[in-house]
Amino acid sequence: QKEVEQDPGPLSVPEGAIVSLNCTYSNSAFQYFMWYRQYSRKGPELLMYTYSSGNKEDGRFTAQVDKSSKYISLFIRDSQPSDSATYLCATPGLGGSYIPTFGRGTSLIVHP
Amino acid sequence: DAGITQSPRHKVTETGTPVTLRCHQTENHRYMYWYRQDPGHGLRLIHYSYGVKDTDKGEVSDGYSVSRSKTEDFLLTLESATSSQTSVYFCAISEADLTSLTGELFFGEGSRLTVL
Repeated sequence: QKEVEQDPGPLSVPEGAIVSLNCTYSNSAFQYFMWYRQYSRKGPELLMYTYSSGNKEDGRFTAQVDKSSKYISLFIRDSQPSDSATYLCATPGLGGSYIPTFGRGTSLIVHP
Repeated sequence: DAGITQSPRHKVTETGTPVTLRCHQTENHRYMYWYRQDPGHGLRLIHYSYGVKDTDKGEVSDGYSVSRSKTEDFLLTLESATSSQTSVYFCAISEADLTSLTGELFFGEGSRLTVL
């Protein structure tokens, strides 16, 4: 079992929809959680991160962590075709290892 | 944008030939990583480096070797390429110090390798 699990999709939604992207993780020691966005034929780039439980909002994006259920979510409001990309959840390394763990990524398609 | 350059960006080679991919950074970051990305598997760590001449294996290191003789360069070598090593390879760098809580990775543009 991978430490971070993510449904690969694809997830196809109409423009303007609210999108929910989800991950589960197995190690309760993880404290930080990150979302990377990867456009086609590009490298991933950090979209946002959040610490422990709770929400973090950045424009149309909200990251949410539920530590009790080991569940990580990314919500996108008013989705746009430019949001079409693969979204990868990740946790940083433990114990100062600086070796992050990535989910497989979810492909999102927002059609006009 | 973080200064990361991967070369070559595209390469087609034949089974059994050696291949070297190069990652060059201008950020003076301590950590460098090589990942491969395949459909259904996501990003998988091949090798990483935490300093000059300091490297360690990732989860899919068999068939790959690395070298880091300078802070700015991290080389990935396939000694004898196989078709299973057809993939997109990403280099990444990280500040990875005590002030970096998340250890954000900055990725290169990727190198697409096809082994026939």
